[in-house]
Order: sequence, then structure tokens, then C-alpha cells
Amino acid sequence: EDQVTQSPEALRLQEGESSSLNCSYTVSGLRGLFWYRQDPGKGPEFLFTLYSAGEEKEKERLKATLTKKESFLHITAPKPEDSATYLCAVQPAEGYSTLTFGKGTMLLVSP
Amino acid sequence: GAGVSQTPSNKVTEKGKYVELRCDPISGHTALYWYRQSLGQGPEFLIYFQGTGAADDSGLPNDRFFAVRPEGSVSTLKIQRTERGDSAVYLCASSLTGSQAFFGQGTRLTVV
Repeated sequence: EDQVTQSPEALRLQEGESSSLNCSYTVSGLRGLFWYRQDPGKGPEFLFTLYSAGEEKEKERLKATLTKKESFLHITAPKPEDSATYLCAVQPAEGYSTLTFGKGTMLLVSP
Repeated sequence: GAGVSQTPSNKVTEKGKYVELRCDPISGHTALYWYRQSLGQGPEFLIYFQGTGAADDSGLPNDRFFAVRPEGSVSTLKIQRTERGDSAVYLCASSLTGSQAFFGQGTRLTVV
């Protein structure tokens, strides 16, 4: 059974204080690992897809990295508008294109 | 439309009633997914459509839940004899096969 564990559950940062979110996963063959951002009362918003160990992707203050067991979402010099819940999900290589999500990390960035 | 549209945005129903939740996917997206998200949890897979057919319905919790996509576009999630435990946000997503899924805003279902 595919499993995704995200840590920490919640993270409070000061504006400009860089940090990382962790996503540990077990999957029987990985097709892709996805990061989404979710604001309160909204649906998840796609950020990145990573396909193989060693891959990195960046978007503004966010950088996602992938190893064979985990992924990190690095947030550099965050701003209050980066406050949201960040969700990690895995898509198995076999079978259908469904995603297994973690519970998310709730990030709060204070000015 | 430009994105995935879900209606209604909020639904309050009495225990035991029947409800229908609608999803309009992004035009041209052949894959459509329903997920359910409870407070403080990540989205939980319910059912996946490829075209008109349900390719994987292994996430439906029991036979009170059913979903259709008769013309390969709009989908309806149907819940019979609703229970208080069905209260959650129901999310729909669509994608081109194999690519990233785009989510709607969700329908918040409250069973009282």
C-alpha cells in the first residue's frame, strides 16, 4: 500500500526565515511525486512534479527535491503570502493515475 | 471554462437524504477524479474516470456512493442515505492522461 508521511504537521516561520518541509514515501514503483499548495477553503493548486531521484524544480521562493525515499520542499526567504498548507502526493508507476496524499504541512509565515 | 468547476460550493443536508455533487472538468481532459478531504487530512481517493468509464472505483467507501460520467465530460457524485460521517469537502480534479491533475474548489458537504 502506498504511504506518504509529511513533517512537520505545522510550521511557523518569521518572514525571511528559510526552512524545509519533508515528505517521506513508500510506493511500489514511482511514476511521479507531486507538490500542491492549498489555501483555506480552496482546492489544491499544483506546484511541481518530480519523476526521478536527483531531480530538482524551482518556482519563485520554492524548490522541490527528490530522493528514492523522500522529497523536500525548500522555502527561501518566505513571505506572509506563502502561508498555506503544502500537500505531497505520489503516483504509482503501475495501475491507474490516482494520487495518494499526505496529511500536509500547515505553514504560517509571520511578518 | 478555464478551470474545474464544482457545484454547489456548499451543501447542507439532513441525515438519510440523497445528494448529488456536480463536477465540470477542464475542456478536453479525459481523466476525472473524485477525492474526499476531511478536516486536517489530505485528499483521499474515491473514484477515477477515463472517458465515460470508471477505471478505478476502489476508493468508494460503500455502496451508498456512486458516480457517473455519461458523456465523458461532466461527472456527478451521488450519495444515498447520507450519514453524519459523510461530512467532508468533496474535491474533483481533471487531467490529460498521465499529467498533473487540476483541482476544483470543492463542495463542502455537511450532514446534520
